[in-house]
Amino acid sequence: DIQMTQSPSSVSASVGDRVTITCRASQGISSWLAWYQQKPGKAPKVLIYAASTLQSGVPSRFSGSGSGTDFTLTISSLQPEDLATYYCQQAKSFPHTFGQGTKLEIK
Amino acid sequence: EVQLVQSGAEVKKPGESLKISCKGSGYSFTKYWIGWVRQMPGKGLEWMGIIYPGDSDTRYSPSFQGQVTISADKSISTAYLQWSSLKASATAMYYCARRSVSIAVAHDAFDLWGQGTMVTVSS
Repeated sequence: DIQMTQSPSSVSASVGDRVTITCRASQGISSWLAWYQQKPGKAPKVLIYAASTLQSGVPSRFSGSGSGTDFTLTISSLQPEDLATYYCQQAKSFPHTFGQGTKLEIK
Repeated sequence: EVQLVQSGAEVKKPGESLKISCKGSGYSFTKYWIGWVRQMPGKGLEWMGIIYPGDSDTRYSPSFQGQVTISADKSISTAYLQWSSLKASATAMYYCARRSVSIAVAHDAFDLWGQGTMVTVSS
C-alpha cells in the first residue's frame, strides 16, 4: 500500500492567516491526489483533485500544488467556516489510502 | 437531486451479522464506482473497498479483505457493506461515496458522499 503522511497533525491559526498543510506519499503518485475537508459531525467533502484542480463550488482561497511525492494544500485567507479536519488521499493505486488528517483550529 | 442515502444507525452484539446500504439517485448508478470508508470514533478516514455496480467488479483494502463483503444491486441502485460476525472493533461511522474518475486529467476522487451510518457493536 502507498502510505500518506500529513503534517502538521494539528494547526491553530487566526482569521485571515495563510495556512499550509503538507502531504507526502511513500512513493511517487504523479498528480493522483485529492484533498478533502471534514467539518465536525459531517461527511467529508472533496476540495481539490488531480493535486491542483479546484472542485466546482469550492472557494478560491483553497489551492493545491505538488506532484510526485510532495503536495500542499493552502488556504490563502483563513475564514471561521474553515474549522475542519483536512485529509489527503492518493488515487494512484488501490487501496486509495488517506493521510491521517490535519485538524485546523481557529484562534 | 444527485445523492447517496445510507441506512440508519445500528446497534448490534458481537457475533451478529449486519448489512448496511447506500442508495444512489439522480445519476446513472451503474456508471460510477461506490466506495466505503470507515471512521472510528475520533479517528481518521480509512478506505475499505470499492465496487463498480455495472459489473460488480470489487476491490478491497488488504486491511479489510475477508473482514467485510461489498456488494451491489444495480436494479435498485443500492450498494451494501456487510459483516458475517461483528466484533466490537467494528464500532465506527461508515460512509459510502461515489468515485469520479477521468484518467486523462488524473481526476480520481470521491465527489459525492452519503450521510454516514453509525454502527455500534457492544455486548
